[in-house]
Amino acid sequence: QVQLQESGPGLVKPSGTLSLTCVVSGGYITMNHWWSWVRQPPGKGLEWLGEIYHSGETNYNPSFKSRLSISIDRSKNQFFLTLNFVTAADTAIYFCARASSGTYPNDGFNIWGHGTVVSVSS
Amino acid sequence: VLTQFPLSQSVTLGQPASISCRSSESLVHSNRNIYLNWYQQRPGQSPRRLIYKVSVRDSGVPNRFSGTGSGTEFTLKISRVEAEDAGVYHCMQSTHWPPYTFGQGTRLEI
Repeated sequence: QVQLQESGPGLVKPSGTLSLTCVVSGGYITMNHWWSWVRQPPGKGLEWLGEIYHSGETNYNPSFKSRLSISIDRSKNQFFLTLNFVTAADTAIYFCARASSGTYPNDGFNIWGHGTVVSVSS
Repeated sequence: VLTQFPLSQSVTLGQPASISCRSSESLVHSNRNIYLNWYQQRPGQSPRRLIYKVSVRDSGVPNRFSGTGSGTEFTLKISRVEAEDAGVYHCMQSTHWPPYTFGQGTRLEI
């Protein structure tokens, strides 16, 4: 059974860089699925940030494209999020998630990590 | 844009509940499928997909949950709410991808 686990610093300074890791266990990251990052600001709804396929192909939410990068390490079965120039508005729970397939369109996210809390504050 | 309503709902145990999700554009794909999903997020937990393609329940989802809709109007119904159904419910579209988009979420209190 595939499981996802996020990790990263709980606190980031304004204008700094947020870096998160998602470890995939119970299956290979080279399976035919898109791997995504989704976030949830306090008391608000879910917001999709971007995704990566094991080939390295990425898609980003246009709202974040200028400061977001998603990468992958197939040898470690991990994928990563890097968000630059963070502000207090980036304070959120960050989830990694697996789409139901690697095709377009697909049926959304059927596997989620537990989430990691990130606060942006000086 | 997906708009959910109500944003909050209080329902008595054993009574039905209904949550609506309206899209600003048709979610019918050129392949004629509609990629509209519903997620449940219990307090302190990550989201869990309940329904995909408008009405298909995920494995293990109780049959008291049902999804209906077409085009731009969609509804999640719970026939008789139980205590474990408390949480936030999110609709999400994956027809016009990327980006995936979510509704604002509806908080269900039992």
